[in-house]
This record gives sequence, structure tokens and C-alpha cells, in this order.
Amino acid sequence: AQSVTQLDSQVPVFEEAPVELRCNYSSSVSVYLFWYVQYPNQGLQLLLKYLSGSTLVESINGFEAEFNKSQTSFHLRKPSVHISDTAEYFCAVSEGTYKYIFGTGTRLKVLA
Amino acid sequence: DAGVIQSPRHEVTEMGQEVTLRCKPISGHNSLFWYRQTMMRGLELLIYFNNNVPIDDSGMPEDRFSAKMPNASFSTLKIQPSEPRDSAVYFCASSGRRGYQETQYFGPGTRLLVL
Repeated sequence: AQSVTQLDSQVPVFEEAPVELRCNYSSSVSVYLFWYVQYPNQGLQLLLKYLSGSTLVESINGFEAEFNKSQTSFHLRKPSVHISDTAEYFCAVSEGTYKYIFGTGTRLKVLA
Repeated sequence: DAGVIQSPRHEVTEMGQEVTLRCKPISGHNSLFWYRQTMMRGLELLIYFNNNVPIDDSGMPEDRFSAKMPNASFSTLKIQPSEPRDSAVYFCASSGRRGYQETQYFGPGTRLLVL
């Protein structure tokens, strides 16, 4: 059965520092992977996704994630964070059906 | 595109009352999802519709919950009677094509508080 693990429930980081939010999944088949961001009192917004092709995917606001099949990971990274990146980040996995399995989320707190 | 529209954005009600949450998916999308988000359980899929037909309602907590999709542009999630443990944020999401993993687009959510 699919599962997603986000080991870090909270990650505090200073502004302009790099950050990595970890996501590991378990699945016996090929998967599609997603990162969503949720700002306070808002819905989830797609940040980036891996469906196929290049294992490194990027978002328009400087985040990137790399699909590592051998490590069953899809960690999210940003080389320099801003205050505005403060939000909760959710990793999700799908085996190609409608069903997403979401992780428990990681709260990123960017400190001035 | 207006995105997924949900109403109301906030709902406060008393235990035992009926609550109806509404969703308008993105035009052209034929898959619709209702999720519930709580601190304790995270994000849970309640029900999935495809082409207005409920495909998977295994996540609906109990008979007090019901969902309908009378047409491609409207869905409701109803709780009757409501209980304090139903307090949560309820999200509606929609996506494009059946049989292919399209991205799910989420609405802003309805924050429900049952007193």
C-alpha cells in the first residue's frame, strides 16, 4: 500500500538560508509525486509535480524537488528562502489513479 | 479561470443542525473530490466523483455525511445531524481527465465549527 512520510513536522530557518523538506514514500509500482503549499487560511496550491521524464522538477518561485527512485524520496529544496515562504508544505503520491496519499505536512517557518 | 469555488468560507453551527457545503469545480474538469482536514488526522479523502457519479465514498465517515453532484458544475456535502467532532476544514478539489493522473486543484476550503 502507498504511504508518504514527512519526518519533519516543523522546520525553522533564517531568511536567505537554504532549506530542505523531506518526503519519502512507499509504493510497489510507478508513482506520480506532488508538493503542495498551504498558506494560512487558504487551500492547497500545487507547487510542483513529477509525472515522468527529468527527475529534477522546478517551480516558478525557486523551489525544486528531485525524484530519487532508489531512495524512494522526493525532497523539496530552496537555496534561499524568503519570509513569504512561511507556510505548510504537503507531499503527495499517486499510483496513477485518482487517489492521492498526502503526508502529514511540514510547517516551514522563515525567521527574519 | 476562477478556480474551484467553495461556499460558505466559514460556518458556525450548533450540534444537531444540518450543514451544507457547496462546491463549483473548474469548468471542464470531470473529477471532483471532497477532503476533510483536521490536526489529528491530516487530509482525508471523503468522496470522489467522476462525470457526476460517485466512484469512491469509502472515506465518508458515517451515514450522517452525504454528497451529491447533480451536474458538472455543482456539488454539495451535507452533514445531518452535525456533531462537534465534525469541526474541520472541508476542501473541494477538481481535476481534468479520468484514467490519467491530472493535477488536483483545491478550493479555499470551508472552515466548519460545530458547537
